[in-house]
Amino acid sequence: QQQVKQSPQSLIVQKGGISIINCAYENTAFDYFPWYQQFPGKGPALLIAIRPDVSEKKEGRFTISFNKSAKQFSLHIMDSQPGDSATYFCAASGSNYQLIWGAGTKLIIKP
Amino acid sequence: DAGVTQSPTHLIKTRGQQVTLRCSPKSGHDTVSWYQQALGQGPQFIFQYYEEEERQRGNFPDRFSGHQFPNYSSELNVNALLLGDSALYLCASSLRQGRNQPQHFGDGTRLSIL
Repeated sequence: QQQVKQSPQSLIVQKGGISIINCAYENTAFDYFPWYQQFPGKGPALLIAIRPDVSEKKEGRFTISFNKSAKQFSLHIMDSQPGDSATYFCAASGSNYQLIWGAGTKLIIKP
Repeated sequence: DAGVTQSPTHLIKTRGQQVTLRCSPKSGHDTVSWYQQALGQGPQFIFQYYEEEERQRGNFPDRFSGHQFPNYSSELNVNALLLGDSALYLCASSLRQGRNQPQHFGDGTRLSIL
């Protein structure tokens, strides 16, 4: 019940295209859902986060869509650029402040 | 404004040894969490420190211990090292006040066990 399942494991998108990464959770007590971006040799960097009282949040080219009834959330990267090539992680936490992470998606943007 | 800093960046140890990793939180943050990230996987929560006490703990044996100092910096200690302890160890800082404040990560310490 503590798992966060992330898909796909890897993704190749053409420059200018839309990258979509999906996550699903089971624990209905989770109430905070961040997305992190990690480059090789670096720590994860917070991209965008959402709470379950909203269905969508947009920051620049990054959008989180949240479906509470389906217990799913997704990251959309619009106009994907080669600099977006990185590993993306979804995560979730509840009242105990522990972040539970997905397994990651390696995104490659082809020029 | 300095972010989260970790030291050392790389470390090589042998089985059975002990290791201490260090973390300085982002300025203004009072809470430190430690994570273990195996190659190709997502980070796994080890524990969280606030007000110099361990507040939350993940599914890690008591070979993993920590400490938080009055200046909010923190140490992670691992005893009796095993080959499986080879990983990237990440420190994250946040503000305890308020629910689920964003966690900011350092670049980690790469620990290799021979």
